[in-house]
Amino acid sequence: DAGVIQSPRHEVTEMGQEVTLRCKPISGHDYLFWYRQTMMRGLELLIYFNNNVPIDDSGMPEDRFSAKMPNASFSTLKIQPSEPRDSAVYFCASTKGWYGGSSYNEQFFGPGTRLTVL
Amino acid sequence: AQSVSQHNHHVILSEAASLELGCNYSYGGTVNLFWYVQYPGQHLQLLLKYFSGDPLVKGIKGFEAEFIKSKFSFNLRKPSVQWSDTAEYFCAVIPRSGIQGAQKLVFGQGTRLTINP
Repeated sequence: DAGVIQSPRHEVTEMGQEVTLRCKPISGHDYLFWYRQTMMRGLELLIYFNNNVPIDDSGMPEDRFSAKMPNASFSTLKIQPSEPRDSAVYFCASTKGWYGGSSYNEQFFGPGTRLTVL
Repeated sequence: AQSVSQHNHHVILSEAASLELGCNYSYGGTVNLFWYVQYPGQHLQLLLKYFSGDPLVKGIKGFEAEFIKSKFSFNLRKPSVQWSDTAEYFCAVIPRSGIQGAQKLVFGQGTRLTINP
């Protein structure tokens, strides 16, 4: 398997522009997570989906951020309008949920998208 | 709310030195514990995990971690580090609430490890 795929790997944009980040989870995984990593705040969970349905978006910073998962193999994170403080590395991760027992399946992370908003 | 504390923000060691990175969590119930590593410019990868059983768990690349329930700690250790261990290390916790499926990982702030050759 190719692992979690994210695009673009780098994005440089100007303040006020719309930014769309894309993620393809590992085939067969039914959970998808979006994280943001900054020096100041570390690694933060923004939102996660189960079977394409958003389960918890309490980490989404504000209304400028939105995420969708139209099908099991694709998700987007959109920022509109973007601001310089949105500059960060955005990671997507996926896992297969566990349904019994004490085990837990690890989250597999994508390579990230480094976003710079000027 | 659950939280994870990694006390060391930046650790600098020489090759062959022994390593111990601290991790403490706050949660009163049962938890699953993880250490992830992020090599420069790369994504997070799982080093090791603890669910139950032997509190001393061994991971990849010679790393191990010990779960001490009474101290709410899950410290990462390696007896002899190499230059290639230079990376950022993240401790993470999931409370085991009995809810099936998957839940949010709560990450610590990370510890940057620099190994000098």
